[in-house]
Amino acid sequence: RKEVEQDPGPFNVPEGATVAFNCTYSNSASQSFFWYRQDCRKEPKLLMSVYSSGNEDGRFTAQLNRASQYISLLIRDSKLSDSATYLCVVNEPGGYNKLIFGAGTRLAVHP
Amino acid sequence: DAGVTQSPTHLIKTRGQHVTLRCSPISGHKSVSWYQQVLGQGPQFIFQYYEKEERGRGNFPDRFSARQFPNYSSELNVNALLLGDSALYLCASSLGTLGENGYTFGSGTRLTVV
Repeated sequence: RKEVEQDPGPFNVPEGATVAFNCTYSNSASQSFFWYRQDCRKEPKLLMSVYSSGNEDGRFTAQLNRASQYISLLIRDSKLSDSATYLCVVNEPGGYNKLIFGAGTRLAVHP
Repeated sequence: DAGVTQSPTHLIKTRGQHVTLRCSPISGHKSVSWYQQVLGQGPQFIFQYYEKEERGRGNFPDRFSARQFPNYSSELNVNALLLGDSALYLCASSLGTLGENGYTFGSGTRLTVV
């Protein structure tokens, strides 16, 4: 079983649509969770951290379910500029910082 | 303020050669980590350095090595290059070792081994 699993997509949605991505992780001791965005041939950029209580940043909402070891990202009112790969990331517990990345979910927003 | 800077941006090497990749962290950041991203996959952890000491190592062969300098910049070295080493190599910096607030990545070095 992969440490972090995501649906690779692609998700093809029209502008204005709401789209949700899901991710599962295998290590129940993980403590920190993130969503990164990666544009084609660019570096990953932190989109948002994910907290147990759920958190929102504008059109983006992240949720964490520790019991199910499940993370989600909801994008409302999709824009063309949201087209990218979204990486689910989990911080492996231990004395140092090792980020475990999922393979990413591709989103394509069309007019 | 400058972000994480990596050099070179692109590199083509032949099988069996050696390569050195360089990274300068964000000013004030003491931790540098290296990741390898092959096409179609998420980045994979190679090393973390903090205060010039190796703090973590991923599942990579001994051909991969790294070091961190007193100014917190870092080098990643790969010996005896294989075709499968072709990838985007990413450097990330954070203030401390645990990176609770996530990492900032450099734009990467794209290595092609032919």
